[in-house]
Amino acid sequence: NAGVTQTPKFRILKIGQSMTLQCTQDMNHNYMYWYRQDPGMGLKLIYYSVGAGITDKGEVPNGYNVSRSTTEDFPLRLELAAPSQTSVYFCASSSRGSGNTIYFGEGSWLTVV
Amino acid sequence: KQEVTQIPAALSVPEGENLVLNCSFTDSAIYNLQWFRQDPGKGLTSLLLIQSSQREQTSGRLNASLDKSSGRSTLYIAASQPGDSATYLCAVLYFGNEKLTFGTGTRLTIIP
Repeated sequence: NAGVTQTPKFRILKIGQSMTLQCTQDMNHNYMYWYRQDPGMGLKLIYYSVGAGITDKGEVPNGYNVSRSTTEDFPLRLELAAPSQTSVYFCASSSRGSGNTIYFGEGSWLTVV
Repeated sequence: KQEVTQIPAALSVPEGENLVLNCSFTDSAIYNLQWFRQDPGKGLTSLLLIQSSQREQTSGRLNASLDKSSGRSTLYIAASQPGDSATYLCAVLYFGNEKLTFGTGTRLTIIP
């Protein structure tokens, strides 16, 4: 009963490096999301996808890219990491058919130094 | 601007007490509202989802209400237990919007 799986759990990046956060879900959900959570700031949407091949920007997309080649996978790419991208990243998924209950992964803690 | 507010940011209550957590939203044109629980170092777990046509939802000791006209939702926790200690977030899905708008959460501590 995996649900939404994110990897890695923790990562330290140097300024200017790039990396990809992986996200996969096994619930056949159409909708997938990437959020970042900063202390005292709540969750902010980075990118979302309403189905394979379709992605759209959220509130804070700058410095990130996504792709959705399959229903299951929604990787988040960080290009040229900056200290401002130090945060906790959450992947989530939902199906409009289920009344929009949204399921979250366990999170990825990223530090840029 | 569509915003979601949760006050207070932190709350401590003795074990066994009933308590209410508050969530306010600025636009009544909501599709649904969800309450989540977040434990330290973990992701969010959906507790209750209320559709815009509903007034309340119940799950065990939890009851969530929705009043669109006043822009408020409450999460009622009965007979609180130390295991209820966590951060509770509400999130609103507005009509015509694909994303949830989150509040910043209330950190709840139940004192044994």
